[in-house]
This record gives sequence, C-alpha cells and structure tokens, in this order.
Amino acid sequence: KNQVEQSPQSLIILEGKNCTLQCNYTVSPFSNLRWYKQDTGRGPVSLTIMTFSENTKSNGRYTATLDADTKQSSLHITASQLSDSASYICVVSWDSWGKLQFGAGTQVVVTP
Amino acid sequence: NAGVTQTPKFQVLKTGQSMTLQCAQDMNHEYMSWYRQDPGMGLRLIHYSVGAGITDQGEVPNGYNVSRSTTEDFPLRLLSAAPSQTSVYFCASSYQGGNSPLHFGNGTRLTVT
Repeated sequence: KNQVEQSPQSLIILEGKNCTLQCNYTVSPFSNLRWYKQDTGRGPVSLTIMTFSENTKSNGRYTATLDADTKQSSLHITASQLSDSASYICVVSWDSWGKLQFGAGTQVVVTP
Repeated sequence: NAGVTQTPKFQVLKTGQSMTLQCAQDMNHEYMSWYRQDPGMGLRLIHYSVGAGITDQGEVPNGYNVSRSTTEDFPLRLLSAAPSQTSVYFCASSYQGGNSPLHFGNGTRLTVT
C-alpha cells in the first residue's frame, strides 16, 4: 500500500531559527516527490518538485532533499519568518499522469 | 491572474440534499482533479480528468459525480449528501500530469447535517 509519513506532526520554532521536516514514503513506482505549503484556509502551494535523479532542490529559504534509496525526504527552512507558519505537505507521485499520495502534513508555528 | 476558482467557499447541506461544487481555471490546463481534506489525513483524490470529455475515478469516488465538457470547468456533484461527506474540498489543475506542479483553489468547506 502506498504511504507517506511525515514527522513531526507539529512543531513550534522561534523566528529566525532553522528547522527540518521529515518525510518517509513507501510509494512505488516512484515518479517524483513534492513539497507544498498550505496556509490556514487556503489551498496548498507548490514549493519544490524533485525527480529520481535530483537529491537537492531549493526555493528561496526552503531546501528539499531526496534520498530515493532510503525513500526519505526532508524540507529545511532557513531563518524562519512569521509567514512560514503553515502546514507543510509531502506528496509522492506514482504514475505518469501524476496520481499522488499525500502526507498528513507538519504544522509549523513560528513565534516572535 | 485568477488561477483556480472554487465556489462556494462555504456550504451547509442537510442529509439527502444534492449540490454542485464549481471549479474553473483560466490557465488552459488539461489536467484537473478534486480532493477532499479531512483532519489528520492527507488529501485524497475523488475524481480527475486529463482533458475535456475524459474523467476517471480516484481513491474515494463513491457519492460523487463529475463531468468535463470544457477545458476550463470541472464541477463536482454530490448526489445525496451524507454526514461522512463533511470535509474541505479542493480543486486542482496542472499543465499535464507527471512533473507539473498542481495549482489548487482555496477550497469549499462543506458541512452536512
């Protein structure tokens, strides 16, 4: 069964600090791995998409890594800002038309 | 840029009522899909379409119908609402499947009493 597990479920960090979110998956066959940011009351917004051959991808202060051998990914947020408070969702694609398996998300709260 | 537009934003239904959730995109995307998001769970695919006139079922299709008569619109119909359909519904589109990012609407929060 295709599964995407994210940890931690939630975390609180001080503004300006860094944090790392984890994603483990058992999806097969693997097509790509995505990270989305979802603000409260809004739809998810794409941060990164990584294929099998990519092991790092950055989008501003967000850096995603992928280890396809161990089926793990991480999202690192550098110098967090209050606007980074959101749910971060790991998503793995498993077919050519983009059927997706979503994780339940990590809720990040950045405090002043 | 409107992107993906969903209406209504909120809806309350009684058990057994029917309704249509609207979704429109102005990006000329071929791929459109509907998801539901429930607390503590990842988004789950209800139905999707790879182009006008083509639809297919996702992970949780029971109780929902879709059609795709134009590239722009992809409405989701609840045939006979049940309390288990209380959820937040998201419509999404992409240029094509594969490695294209999904663009999401801002959701419809549906409560069935």
